Amino acid sequence: AQKITQTQPGMFVQEKEAVTLDCTYDTSDPSYGLFWYKQPSSGEMIFLIYQGSYDQQNATEGRYSLNFQKARKSANLVISASQLGDSAMYFCAIEDAGGTSYGKLTFGQGTILTVHP
Amino acid sequence: EAGVAQSPRYKIIEKRQSVAFWCNPISGHATLYWYQQILGQGPKLLIQFQNNGVVDDSQLPKDRFSAERLKGVDSTLKIQPAKLEDSAVYLCASSLTGGWTGELFFGEGSRLTVL
Repeated sequence: AQKITQTQPGMFVQEKEAVTLDCTYDTSDPSYGLFWYKQPSSGEMIFLIYQGSYDQQNATEGRYSLNFQKARKSANLVISASQLGDSAMYFCAIEDAGGTSYGKLTFGQGTILTVHP
Repeated sequence: EAGVAQSPRYKIIEKRQSVAFWCNPISGHATLYWYQQILGQGPKLLIQFQNNGVVDDSQLPKDRFSAERLKGVDSTLKIQPAKLEDSAVYLCASSLTGGWTGELFFGEGSRLTVL
């Protein structure tokens, strides 16, 4: 079974600075996918970035990048140039590679990010 | 492109009552998921449909929860009878193929409070 651990219940960052949100995972599958989602107060889960276990390069999407260290089983999210609108809950998730259950995501507990002006 | 639609957004019921949530996925998305998110936790998958067939319902409490997707489009999640611990946000998500590309699109959720 997969497991995601996010050890930071809350993080604070100054506007325009960079912030790293930690995520470690545990899986016995050789192939897996790692995801980061943002959940603002409205409740909707917004997809941010994806990293495949066999991807050679770290994923990047605009201001978001994923620091993927496979040997350490970590997939930290880096947000550069933080904006006030980045204040939200952030979830790391791993995709179940078993059978046909693509899309079966196991989520961590989340990290609340607060961006100060 | 319209997103995943869910209703109602909020529902308050007393324990032992029943409730139903509706989800309309993005047009053309074959795979539909229902997740339960208890306050302070990450979402947990309840059930996954591929068209109108169930792919995974291993974490669905089948003694009280049921879900259907009769025509392979919209879906209904029902709870009967509700318990206090069912208080949560029920998130519906859909994807085109259910593949590994982060193409899961979530609705805004239906928040259930059981008194």
